[in-house]
Amino acid sequence: AQSVTQLDSQVPVFEEAPVELRCNYSSSVSVYLFWYVQYPNQGLQLLLKYLSGSTLVESINGFEAEFNKSQTSFHLRKPSVHISDTAEYFCAVSLLSGGYNKLIFGAGTRLAVHP
Amino acid sequence: DVKVTQSSRYPVKRTGEKVFLECVQDMDHENMFWYRQDPGLGLRLIYFSYDVKMKEKGDIPEGYSVSREKKERFSLILESASTNQTSMYLCASSPPAGRRSNQPQHFGDGTRLSIL
Repeated sequence: AQSVTQLDSQVPVFEEAPVELRCNYSSSVSVYLFWYVQYPNQGLQLLLKYLSGSTLVESINGFEAEFNKSQTSFHLRKPSVHISDTAEYFCAVSLLSGGYNKLIFGAGTRLAVHP
Repeated sequence: DVKVTQSSRYPVKRTGEKVFLECVQDMDHENMFWYRQDPGLGLRLIYFSYDVKMKEKGDIPEGYSVSREKKERFSLILESASTNQTSMYLCASSPPAGRRSNQPQHFGDGTRLSIL
């Protein structure tokens, strides 16, 4: 069975510091990987996705994630965080089953950026 | 722009009530999903639908049912609400898999349901 593990439930960090949110997955087949962000009282928004090709993917707001097949990881990084990055972040693996894509989510990492 | 609407944001219901949570999408997506979100557990799939009048059980379907009479609308039904169903419920939609299997799911803002 496929699973997704987010190794940190909470990550406190000071503004302008770098951050890494860790994600490992278990899968015996090719996968599609996603990071979603959830701001307070909102639904999930797609942050970035890995489908194929370059193992480093970037989002428009400075986050990046690197697909590492040998370590089955897809860690999320940002070199300098802002207060507005405070949110919960979910890593997800897409499993193709029948005619649809089923997402398996990690438990989430709450990023708290302090001034 | 993509839009998934969950019209009821913070309903409060009583145990034993039959509860309907509604979700509407305007993207002509075939696939729709209902998730439950609880602290420390992430999102867990309750039910999904890949076409009108079609439904499949997810990982935690017990105590729930769904209805998809129209392509744009997917309803989650709590047959007899219980306090352990107090949670955040998220609806999502996506195009079908195959050639477009890399399409992510689009989420609504969620319904935070309280059962007293």
